[in-house]
Amino acid sequence: DAGVTQSPTHLIKTRGQHVTLRCSPISGHKSVSWYQQVLGQGPQFIFQYYEKEERGRGNFPDRFSARQFPNYSSELNVNALLLGDSALYLCASSLALGETQYFGPGTRLLVL
Amino acid sequence: AQSVTQPDIHITVSEGASLELRCNYSYGATPYLFWYVQSPGQGLQLLLKYFSGDTLVQGIKGFEAEFKRSQSSFNLRKPSVHWSDAAEYFCAFFTGGGNKLTFGTGTQLKVEL
Repeated sequence: DAGVTQSPTHLIKTRGQHVTLRCSPISGHKSVSWYQQVLGQGPQFIFQYYEKEERGRGNFPDRFSARQFPNYSSELNVNALLLGDSALYLCASSLALGETQYFGPGTRLLVL
Repeated sequence: AQSVTQPDIHITVSEGASLELRCNYSYGATPYLFWYVQSPGQGLQLLLKYFSGDTLVQGIKGFEAEFKRSQSSFNLRKPSVHWSDAAEYFCAFFTGGGNKLTFGTGTQLKVEL
């Protein structure tokens, strides 16, 4: 079975632009979570979605938004990019809330 | 505050030597605990997890971890390290009703041949 997939793998944007990151969960998994990992730190929780509803939100500004589609894939959107948004964005899927999360390879975003 | 502490930022061991990576948590209830490994430029791979039951859990790649409630610890061990184990290791646990993982800052493992 395929694991969690994310696209694109790498992305370069300039300050003020908008970016959309995509995630496809493991087949059968209904929950998707997003994390931001800045260089040298552990991942920080951004959002969790389950059955297309937001079920958790981390301490991130409103420039960050996400959604989950009927096929359980998910998008993370970031508006008005800042230099500090440069990071590895990780998507994780799980069967349901409170279940083990399995991570994708991540999207590396560089904001210039 | 709910948090995970990994006291060792960097650890260097010789190939074939034993390994122990430390993890301490601060949480009011019994947590669900995890160890993940991250190779350079890669995502996170689950090594093992503890939800309940036997406090010594076995994982992939020959790793094990022991949950000690009295010490609020969940240390990762391996009896004999291989060069391919060089990576960054993250301890994490569920908080907030299980809707997010809280991670430590990671331990970078270097293996000397």
